[in-house]
Order: sequence, then structure tokens, then C-alpha cells
Amino acid sequence: GAVVSQHPSWVICKSGTSVKIECRSLDFQATTMFWYRQFPKQSLMLMATSNEGSKATYEQGVEKDKFLINHASLTLSTLTVTSAHPEDSSFYICSAIPNYGYTFGSGTRLTVV
Amino acid sequence: QQQVKQSPQSLIVQKGGISIINCAYENTAFDYFPWYQQFPGKGPALLIAIRPDVSEKKEGRFTISFNKSAKQFSLHIMDSQPGDSATYFCAASPGLGNEKLTFGTGTRLTIIP
Repeated sequence: GAVVSQHPSWVICKSGTSVKIECRSLDFQATTMFWYRQFPKQSLMLMATSNEGSKATYEQGVEKDKFLINHASLTLSTLTVTSAHPEDSSFYICSAIPNYGYTFGSGTRLTVV
Repeated sequence: QQQVKQSPQSLIVQKGGISIINCAYENTAFDYFPWYQQFPGKGPALLIAIRPDVSEKKEGRFTISFNKSAKQFSLHIMDSQPGDSATYFCAASPGLGNEKLTFGTGTRLTIIP
């Protein structure tokens, strides 16, 4: 089946630094990928829709300058959390749509200290 | 109108019993209704999905019941097992053409021996 690979699985960074999270579609091409954020014991909240070769579409309330999204190829989208602060600590998950339904990556646990 | 309401928030079921989780939606443009299972620290995994042209879909121990007129759908887990203990999310989207998924709030299911 279709696989979405997300890396890293977890990352700890210092406040003020930037962190890049990668999302790859391993056996299919994804013109569109989605980035979600999930707080403990809560649902997934869509942050942005990443489109290959064009600018990402951000959901209302999501700071586009803080959460930079780059979808440079049909198999790779990246989310960069810039100038991270403790309140950015969360579980970030990407997804893409192969032929038969939305497939999610395994998530990245970001802890900002 | 984009909301998907999910209940209950948490559910405890005895091993071998039937687990039932309910969802309701308002947006009549929704055309695709998946259910996801999520274990702690992992991304959601697609369990089963339904389109509104059928009222029921069964895959193994998992069944979706869909009531288009009531705008409700539910997940039934038959012969529930301890390994089914996880958080379950219903979701909906206008289709599979790179459309956004709207998630329910999640149900934490615990199967006790």
C-alpha cells in the first residue's frame, strides 16, 4: 500500500531555533500534501495545504511566516518551524492522497525547550 | 457547517463486546467518510471508509453504518479486543480530489478483559 514517510519521529530544539520536518510519499506522487498539528488528547487540526510547485494554503489563524511549507517535488513536502517557542511543542503530522484515501505519516513529536 | 461532531469522548467496553462510536455532520457537500485509528505517538491509520451511496460497509470486525437523511454515520467494532484500545476519529471531506479532511473530536476506546 501507499506509504507516507515522515522524518524525524521526534526532535528537541532550543527556543529560538528552527526545525525542519520532512514528509515523503514513497511509492506514489503527491501534488497535494496536508500538514496537521495535534495537541495531547485532542483532534487533528489542519494547518496548511501544500501544493507542488506553488505556495501553500494556510488555515485561518496559522502564521505562515512561522510555519514555512515547501513542496518542491511530487514526493517531498517540508514544514519548517521558525524561531520555535515552547508553545510550538506539539505533534505534527502530514498526509497525502494516493488512489484510495488519505494516508498519514507517523508524525513528528516536537519539543521546544 | 464544517464541523463533524463525534461521541462519546471516551468508551470502555468489555472484551468480546461491541464498540459503537457515532458521528454527525452538517455539510451536505461531504462525500467521503473515513474512520481512523490512532495509537499514542503514531499517525492515524485508515480503518474503513464509506461513500454516501451505500448505507453500510463491513470489513472484518469493523462496520460503518451511514444514514444520509440524518447526516449521521457510526463505527461498530464487533468482538472488541484489547488490541483495539486506541483513539478513533471519524472524518469527512467533499471527496478525494485533494480536498481537506474535517476530523471529529475523537473517541478514546478502552477494551477491558
